[in-house]
Amino acid sequence: DTGVSQDPRHKITKRGQNVTFRCDPISEHNRLYWYRQTLGQGPEFLTYFQNEAQLEKSRLLSDRFSAERPKGSFSTLEIQRTEQGDSAMYLCASSEYQGGPEAFFGQGTRLTVV
Amino acid sequence: ELKVEQNPLFLSMQEGKNYTIYCNYSTTSDRLYWYRQDPGKSLESLFVLLSNGAVKQEGRLMASLDTKARLSTLHITAAVHDLSATYFCAVDMRRDDKIIFGKGTRLHILP
Repeated sequence: DTGVSQDPRHKITKRGQNVTFRCDPISEHNRLYWYRQTLGQGPEFLTYFQNEAQLEKSRLLSDRFSAERPKGSFSTLEIQRTEQGDSAMYLCASSEYQGGPEAFFGQGTRLTVV
Repeated sequence: ELKVEQNPLFLSMQEGKNYTIYCNYSTTSDRLYWYRQDPGKSLESLFVLLSNGAVKQEGRLMASLDTKARLSTLHITAAVHDLSATYFCAVDMRRDDKIIFGKGTRLHILP
């Protein structure tokens, strides 16, 4: 296992289209986080999972955003009816819940909405 | 709501100089993290600080935590160009384990 993997690395989409991103965490990690980062800003928390349970969603996550982690392994983040303001880097991170507080980040998916 | 503030947000310094980046947070926290991010790249974990008075060092970087003051520092000793990057501190609370980031400090080291 080489770390947190995200796919795709880059996505260009037209406004109004739906997009889906995938995150594969480190295999023994049961916590999975999604963040959004815009240019020059720190990562903003979107949501996180403990195994398959989604524990919290940020107010930033509008109804157009949905995240799943169906079997407690990989996760998907879907954005419906994309807007130009959704253009950002979407980062996924994972961590162990017990005894391992450190979160490891994937390479991110850069979304450009045109 | 937990808030994390870093300063300065931008720092330009000469090689060989020392400097400190400060991270203040608004509520009690159990864990503080420092990350490094190079342009267009993801975040690399540098330090995890778990208790009051914790100090960790790696090369020219040293991080410390004062939970009573809700303050962490990242000290750079004899800076070299390779340390140019954006540094983020992040904090979580055991209550919900959500990790909140500061805005980052963009460090530019001049040769």
